[in-house]
Amino acid sequence: RKEVEQDPGPFNVPEGATVAFNCTYSNSASQSFFWYRQDCRKEPKLLMSVYSSGNEDGRFTAQLNRASQYISLLIRDSKLSDSATYLCVVRSGGFKTIFGAGTRLFVKA
Amino acid sequence: DVKVTQSSRYLVKRTGEKVFLECVQDMDHENMFWYRQDPGLGLRLIYFSYDVKMKEKGDIPEGYSVSREKKERFSLILESASTNQTSMYLCASSLDSQGGQPQHFGDGTRLSIL
Repeated sequence: RKEVEQDPGPFNVPEGATVAFNCTYSNSASQSFFWYRQDCRKEPKLLMSVYSSGNEDGRFTAQLNRASQYISLLIRDSKLSDSATYLCVVRSGGFKTIFGAGTRLFVKA
Repeated sequence: DVKVTQSSRYLVKRTGEKVFLECVQDMDHENMFWYRQDPGLGLRLIYFSYDVKMKEKGDIPEGYSVSREKKERFSLILESASTNQTSMYLCASSLDSQGGQPQHFGDGTRLSIL
């Protein structure tokens, strides 16, 4: 079993739709969680950290479920510019950082 | 904003050459990382450094070495390049050592070994 697993997609959604991604992790001692966005042939960029109580940044909402060991990302009112690959990142303390393979999202007009 | 700069966006080298990839960050971060990213495999950690002259192997260090002589600069060295090292190489830095701070990435270097 991979330490961090994501549905690779692709998710194809129309503009204005709400879409959600999940990411599961296997190490119950994991401490920090992040979502990154990566555009084609570009570097990953931090989208948002994920806090235990859940957090929101504009149209984006991130949640953590420690009991079931997953994090989620919800995107409301999808824009064409949201088309990208979304990477789930889990850090277990110290330097151990695991990147998921990413979920591809296509938002179409 | 954190700025992580990689010396080349695209690089073409020949099998057997010694290749240097340079990375500089301007935020006085303690930690620096080198990853490679291949389709279907995601990001894989090659080496990281948590202080000047300190280095630790990541998941796939074979065929690579690193150098951190100054805090802001972290170099990745391919000792004798091989075609299976053709990949996208990403450098990252982060502020803390306990995992609470995210990593910030450079633009990446697309390396082709012929």
